[in-house]
Amino acid sequence: SQELEQSPQSLIVQEGKNLTINCTSSKTLYGLYWYKQKYGEGLIFLMMLQKGGEEKSHEKITAKLDEKKQQSSLHITASQPSHAGIYLCGADGLLGAQKLVFGQGTRLTINP
Amino acid sequence: NAGVTQTPKFQVLKTGQSMTLQCAQDMNHEYMSWYRQDPGMGLRLIHYSVGAGITDQGEVPNGYNVSRSTTEDFPLRLLSAAPSQTSVYFCASSYYRDSNQPQHFGDGTRLSIL
Repeated sequence: SQELEQSPQSLIVQEGKNLTINCTSSKTLYGLYWYKQKYGEGLIFLMMLQKGGEEKSHEKITAKLDEKKQQSSLHITASQPSHAGIYLCGADGLLGAQKLVFGQGTRLTINP
Repeated sequence: NAGVTQTPKFQVLKTGQSMTLQCAQDMNHEYMSWYRQDPGMGLRLIHYSVGAGITDQGEVPNGYNVSRSTTEDFPLRLLSAAPSQTSVYFCASSYYRDSNQPQHFGDGTRLSIL
């Protein structure tokens, strides 16, 4: 959706390096979701953020929602080949109630 | 507990043919939705349903019909397939959207229209 912009669209990093993916909206985000998609497969839920300034971590992945609730970042520390895939952010309410819309995705490649 | 099941996984159609993509969930979720995924476009919402008998349009509804006769099933119909509908289709379900619950996705249906 154009309501939700992700950057970069693709990212190639060396194994072991840190990386950040951003998700930005011009509107306030009420419920921001991060998903991962392995190539050719379905989406796997990673984390959900609701409150301004909220931060959640799972293993080496940390997601944050800024105080204004208009931007979220996904940070991976010490990247591994298993982190490769497409990362998508999704948000409720940007196109009306009951509609969860997504950014265009970030394709992450990890080089050994 | 199978989660969200989509059938078929792959399909090739000729322009003008009709087809129904099936989606079923066994989690008693009220909310179900269909998305299409195209390169560089992320996931775009086609139609969604907040419960049996209730459906509504998403971002890209043209060319697609849906119905929700039961809580479990939410089929997507292509009445007259067009090459522009070549895509990967995902079905998802969750509790009501205003409950801020994540959606559970099926594995997708890869559809090619020749």
